[in-house]
Amino acid sequence: AQSVAQPEDQVNVAEGNPLTVKCTYSVSGNPYLFWYVQYPNRGLQFLLKYITGDNLVKGSYGFEAEFNKSQTSFHLKKPSALVSDSALYFCAVRDPSGGYQKVTFGTGTKLQVIP
Amino acid sequence: DSGVTQTPKHLITATGQRVTLRCSPRSGDLSVYWYQQSLDQGLQFLIQYYNGEERAKGNILERFSAQQFPDLHSELNLSSLELGDSALYFCASSPLQGVGETQYFGPGTRLLVL
Repeated sequence: AQSVAQPEDQVNVAEGNPLTVKCTYSVSGNPYLFWYVQYPNRGLQFLLKYITGDNLVKGSYGFEAEFNKSQTSFHLKKPSALVSDSALYFCAVRDPSGGYQKVTFGTGTKLQVIP
Repeated sequence: DSGVTQTPKHLITATGQRVTLRCSPRSGDLSVYWYQQSLDQGLQFLIQYYNGEERAKGNILERFSAQQFPDLHSELNLSSLELGDSALYFCASSPLQGVGETQYFGPGTRLLVL
């Protein structure tokens, strides 16, 4: 069975400071990993994904994430936070080894960027 | 705007009733996914369809059913509604059925069961 954990319900960061939103996963094979963002009263928007290749993945709005196989992590990062980054962030995992597999989402981390 | 549309935006109904949620995927997308988002359960995958055929099933209750029509729109039917079914229901679409594909989410339908 696949699972994903976002250990922090909320992350607070000052505007202009670097931000990190943590995600760890568990799959039986090689994972496909995703980050999505949800603004209030909106659907989820895709930020970035890791399928294969370079462990550092760059995505939308200046976000990036690093795939670390040994630590089974896929933390989301941004060098300088903006107030407009305040939203709910979801990490998701899919295990391609089992054929058609559901996507498992984490519980979400609320990011609050303080002006 | 993702290009995925969902109707209605809001739905208020009573316990025991049946409702139908509708989703139109992005132009050209063949896969449709349904999700339920609630405060206590988080974001739960319900079911995936690809070109009219069921492809993957998640935590979908027997009281719930879905289908994808030849024009690729999809409907999620919820019956014998309970208070606990109150949630935000999202539809997402992707071009094909690949496991690594990006999903594009609609704005959701907020269901309130009284």
